[in-house]
Amino acid sequence: QKEVEQDPGPLSVPEGAIVSLNCTYSNSAFQYFMWYRQYSRKGPELLMYTYSSGNKEDGRFTAQVDKSSKYISLFIRDSQPSDSATYLCAMGVDMRFGAGTRLTVKP
Amino acid sequence: DAGITQSPRYKITETGRQVTLMCHQTWSHSYMFWYRQDLGHGLRLIYYSAAADITDKGEVPDGYVVSRSKTENFPLTLESATRSQTSVYFCASSGDRQVAFFGQGTRLTVV
Repeated sequence: QKEVEQDPGPLSVPEGAIVSLNCTYSNSAFQYFMWYRQYSRKGPELLMYTYSSGNKEDGRFTAQVDKSSKYISLFIRDSQPSDSATYLCAMGVDMRFGAGTRLTVKP
Repeated sequence: DAGITQSPRYKITETGRQVTLMCHQTWSHSYMFWYRQDLGHGLRLIYYSAAADITDKGEVPDGYVVSRSKTENFPLTLESATRSQTSVYFCASSGDRQVAFFGQGTRLTVV
C-alpha cells in the first residue's frame, strides 16, 4: 500500500462548478499537508498547506484535513478554465506526494 | 537570478552511461529534494538532504547517487543509466519542509 493515495482522474467539470479533490494516507505521524498545482510541462507550485486537522481557506480554495480518517481534501469554488492543471497532495516532513489528479474545467 | 534552476532541461543519453543532473538554489534553503515524475506514479522521492553533507534515501533511491558539499547545490547522478530511468526529474528546495519550491524539471531519455 502506498503511503499517499490519490485518484489520478482525469476529472472534467463545467466552468463554475465546485471541485473536490481528495487524498488518503496511511502514516498517522503526518502533521503537514500540502496541495500543489502543476501546469503542463512546468514544475509544481504550492497552492496551500495546513498543519494538523482543520480547514484553511484562501480565496476560492479550501483545504480540509481529517486526521481521524486520514483523509484530506481540496475544494475549488467557482472553478475557472485557468484552474485546469494537475493537483498533487503532499504530506510529511520528507514530502511524500500522491499520484496527482488531472483536472479540466470546460468553458 | 533568484530561485531554483535545473540543468540541463533536456538530456538524451545511452544505456550504461553516467549522467549528472544539476540543481542550484539561491535562497540558502536547508532542505533539498530530488523527485522523478512518471505517468501514473506522480512524484516519487529519490533522495533528500537536510543540510550540506547530510543526505537520506527516499522511496526510489536505487541507481542514483547524490552529494551536497555546498548548501546551494544538490546534483543527482545516475551511475549507469537504464531505460527505466527515463523520466522527468524535479529538484525542490525548502526552508521549513512545508513550503517547497520546484525547478522547471529535466526531461531525461535513456536510449
